[in-house]
Amino acid sequence: GNSVTQMEGPVTLSEEAFLTINCTYTATGYPSLFWYVQYPGEGLQLLLKATKADDKGSNKGFEATYRKETTSFHLEKGSVQVSDSAVYFCALSDRDSSASKIIFGSGTRLSIRP
Amino acid sequence: NAGVTQTPKFQVLKTGQSMTLQCAQDMNHEYMSWYRQDPGMGLRLIHYSVGAGITDQGEVPNGYNVSRSTTEDFPLRLLSAAPSQTSVYFCASRLGRTGETQYFGPGTRLLVL
Repeated sequence: GNSVTQMEGPVTLSEEAFLTINCTYTATGYPSLFWYVQYPGEGLQLLLKATKADDKGSNKGFEATYRKETTSFHLEKGSVQVSDSAVYFCALSDRDSSASKIIFGSGTRLSIRP
Repeated sequence: NAGVTQTPKFQVLKTGQSMTLQCAQDMNHEYMSWYRQDPGMGLRLIHYSVGAGITDQGEVPNGYNVSRSTTEDFPLRLLSAAPSQTSVYFCASRLGRTGETQYFGPGTRLLVL
């Protein structure tokens, strides 16, 4: 079945450090890929997405490239800020499914030190 | 637009009690879903609906019922609460199928004693 695997947290970085959160997936067909972010006490909100191979999603300084050859969608940011502290979820949506369910990874907690 | 709204924000139940978690959206979205979030397990799909009058089971449907009588509302019913149902519950909606952004409500934190 479809699945998403992302690196375990927590990840703790200093402000202005480079961030990578790894995400790999298993899916039939050609899924769409997403990164969602959850700030403390809130629901999830979409950070970025990519719908086909080699697409790059970007938002708020974050980027992720849809790599079909390595089945990966790693999240990167060149210089993190304290306000980026949150839980990040990688997810996929399988377009071959009649219901197009979204499958989430287990989440990676990111903490940024001032 | 209010987006996706959920009530209550927090609830304490005793084992065996029943309750309904409310979810509503004002974006005319076809797809609505219920997830539960547990530490270290991400979000797991409980039930989902692809339109009014149509519902189906997700990964962890046992102990929960849903109905979708209108496009706007998608309540989740706990028939007989158990401590294993202690979790944070999120409702979500999206316009259509693959590639569409999913919008989440603020969540309901449920504690079953």
